[in-house]
Amino acid sequence: DVKVTQSSRYLVKRTGEKVFLECVQDMDHENMFWYRQDPGLGLRLIYFSYDVKMKEKGDIPEGYSVSREKKERFSLILESASTNQTSMYLCASEEGNQPQHFGDGTRLSIL
Amino acid sequence: QKEVEQNSGPLSVPEGAIASLNCTYSDRGSQSFFWYRQYSGKSPELIMFIYSNGDKEDGRFTAQLNKASQYVSLLIRDSQPSDSATYLCAVHAFSGGYNKLIFGAGTRLAVHP
Repeated sequence: DVKVTQSSRYLVKRTGEKVFLECVQDMDHENMFWYRQDPGLGLRLIYFSYDVKMKEKGDIPEGYSVSREKKERFSLILESASTNQTSMYLCASEEGNQPQHFGDGTRLSIL
Repeated sequence: QKEVEQNSGPLSVPEGAIASLNCTYSDRGSQSFFWYRQYSGKSPELIMFIYSNGDKEDGRFTAQLNKASQYVSLLIRDSQPSDSATYLCAVHAFSGGYNKLIFGAGTRLAVHP
């Protein structure tokens, strides 16, 4: 079974902090994704990566950056956290047209 | 027009009934289709995928695909209260220069005893 592991289930940070969310997958998938999910807004794609060192902006990249130095790891960075970035963050990985597999999610609160 | 559309619900069905969840998509070139179940506060969990026209059955779940009508559905037979969740339809489609998985907003299903 595919295993996608997100580093934290719950995280509380302060406004202005730099926040790192880590995601690791164990199936050698090429493609990795970061989403945020808010009530009534569904899943929104922040960034994605189809290869090591490659990154592409999704639908809502503002205020975020990503890093993919190794194939199995995809990190999401909040450069200067703001309260409107309080959300559930979901990492996913996939290979080709196969299903995406999600991590358990990180519920991030910015105070 | 949204790329993947679902009725937000809630869809309320009695225990033991068949729940029918529907999804339409806009990209005629889409080749792969998925249904995810998401319980409140949890991450989406894959329950069905379908690549060819017709029906695909797995236990109490049946996925139906009609590419000509750009329509995919999920039937849940003998619905149980534990099936109460939000169901996300997802379609691989070409968007923004890349082949991406596009999610619908989800349909909330409530199964009442």
